[in-house]
Amino acid sequence: ETGVTQTPRHLVMGMTNKKSLKCEQHLGHNAMYWYKQSAKKPLELMFVYSLEERVENNSVPSRFSPECPNSSHLFLHLHTLQPEDSALYLCASSQADRAVKAFFGQGTRLTVV
Amino acid sequence: RKEVEQDPGPFNVPEGATVAFNCTYSNSASQSFFWYRQDCRKEPKLLMSVYSSGNEDGRFTAQLNRASQYISLLIRDSKLSDSATYLCVVSPNDYKLSFGAGTTVTVRA
Repeated sequence: ETGVTQTPRHLVMGMTNKKSLKCEQHLGHNAMYWYKQSAKKPLELMFVYSLEERVENNSVPSRFSPECPNSSHLFLHLHTLQPEDSALYLCASSQADRAVKAFFGQGTRLTVV
Repeated sequence: RKEVEQDPGPFNVPEGATVAFNCTYSNSASQSFFWYRQDCRKEPKLLMSVYSSGNEDGRFTAQLNRASQYISLLIRDSKLSDSATYLCVVSPNDYKLSFGAGTTVTVRA
């Protein structure tokens, strides 16, 4: 139990589907992150929310849409994805000025067919 | 050039051996440096910070060379449980982490 919970753990979706990934943290942190991890590639930072405001958006395609309704919850809404979007999507949380002390969730393994 | 580069390995070592590997980073303005560990199909977890003067945490020793822009990790007396992928992480500011693709270490009995 890491204190950061992601659901679902596994997701298979078609290119025309719409789905959402959910992340919840119970650590009292005020910053949350979405990362993408593809096979044999480094983790890529997608979005950062600090104090519920988005502070980083690393040129992520618009088919990925984040939502942070409060400091404990983070969503990643997915629509019209491509097969190359198949990856492990990791959520993390930290105090706003301590990204390195982030705790990661176990990830959602996404397969786009 | 990639922000953080690592030898992917794998480094296959017997129990009790010493294994060491490096990573290089491109942003000379980077402020903070770390090693994370990621087990197969698990999330990354912070292993240790890396300080300019070098630091140890049990069997693990980390070094930073700012002039040459590389970081190293040495594992002494390897255990089977040390088998994992080690991620080099460089941070230019308070909220951004740049990850390497990882170095895989396999410790065999």
